[in-house]
Amino acid sequence: GDSVTQMEGPVTLSEEAFLTINCTYTATGYPSLFWYVQYPGEGLQLLLKATKADDKGSNKGFEATYRKETTSFHLEKGSVQVSDSAVYFCALRGTSYGKLTFGQGTILTVHP
Amino acid sequence: DAGVTQSPTHLIKTRGQQVTLRCSPKSGHDTVSWYQQALGQGPQFIFQYYEEEERQRGNFPDRFSGHQFPNYSSELNVNALLLGDSALYLCASSDTGTDTDTQYFGPGTRLTVL
Repeated sequence: GDSVTQMEGPVTLSEEAFLTINCTYTATGYPSLFWYVQYPGEGLQLLLKATKADDKGSNKGFEATYRKETTSFHLEKGSVQVSDSAVYFCALRGTSYGKLTFGQGTILTVHP
Repeated sequence: DAGVTQSPTHLIKTRGQQVTLRCSPKSGHDTVSWYQQALGQGPQFIFQYYEEEERQRGNFPDRFSGHQFPNYSSELNVNALLLGDSALYLCASSDTGTDTDTQYFGPGTRLTVL
């Protein structure tokens, strides 16, 4: 079945540092890929998405490229801010309607 | 434009009881999905409703049931509660006609089973 694996956290960075959170997936066919962010005490917010190979999703300075050959969708940001501190989830939608399969989440903490 | 809303925010129940959680989708959305998020874990898909029918179901027992109303709002019912049902329950809505991919999540209902 479908599965998503994220790099283990937590990740702790200083403000303005470069961020990479790794995500790899297993799925049949051509899934759509997503990054969601969850701030403390809140639900999930869609950060970015990509629906086909080589697509690059981007939003708020975050980027991720759909790599079919390596089955990866790594999240990057060139310069993180304290306000980026949150839990980040990689997810995919496979061939089954709208079911999302999530990774275990990566906690990001950014210090001033 | 109101986003996805859920009620109640928090709920405390004891083992063996039954609970009903409610969800109103984002305006214009016709599909509702429910997820269970245990502490420190990613959300797990419970089921999805479209046109008042359960369209897809995850690996959850029959104790978990749902309903979708003509106005697209939805309920999640859990019977015979177990301690392990303690979690954040998330509702997500989407528009099957224009963008099946994008799901918008509500703030969740925190269920504690004692």
